[in-house]
Amino acid sequence: QLQLQESGPGLVKPSETLSLSCTVSGGSISSSSHFWGWLRQPPGKGLEWIGSIYYSGSTYENPSLKSRVTISIDTSKNQFSLKMRSVTAADTAVYYCARDVVTTGWFDPWGQGALVTVSS
Amino acid sequence: QSVLTQPPSVSGAPGQRITISCTGSSSNIGAGYDVHWYLQLPGTAPKLLIYANNNRPSGVPDRFSASKSGTSASLAIAGLQPEDEADYYCQSYDSSLSGSVFGGGTKLTVL
Repeated sequence: QLQLQESGPGLVKPSETLSLSCTVSGGSISSSSHFWGWLRQPPGKGLEWIGSIYYSGSTYENPSLKSRVTISIDTSKNQFSLKMRSVTAADTAVYYCARDVVTTGWFDPWGQGALVTVSS
Repeated sequence: QSVLTQPPSVSGAPGQRITISCTGSSSNIGAGYDVHWYLQLPGTAPKLLIYANNNRPSGVPDRFSASKSGTSASLAIAGLQPEDEADYYCQSYDSSLSGSVFGGGTKLTVL
């Protein structure tokens, strides 16, 4: 059974870089059928897609975040990662990683989520 | 403001049938892109409920169904149960944004 698990610091200072990793278990991240995605949910608010990456390293990102976001993949570790630069309090959210079934498709399964708070 | 529009809340009594709407535009649902639905219980990650408009993943009861027409989609829950109380989100692809978009979510209260 495919499982995803986010990891990374829970507290980031304003203007610094948020870094998260997602470890995939129960399956290979090198699957040619899927992308791997990052999403977030600010406290009490809805879901926002951040971006997704293919095992080849090809990415596509939310245009509203693209200038600050880098998504990378390490197939040897079965992991993919998110870096978000110049964070502000508005970036405080639960960050989820999920399998992005196809670029126009659905997300399943999801990791349990990682709360990242941006505060000095 | 979310690209897809959902009612903030709906409610129903146990055993009743409710529907949740999801309204998009010509660049997403109206362009023919599939709609997917998620259920989120408090404090947990979203869980896929319906994929590709009207398909239920293994383990999802057939009380949950969905449809799509024009620029809108809807999720129906029949025979409401207390454990259905959760937030529900629709999701699709938007060609203008070249990425996935979500509705703002609908909180279902089982009275």
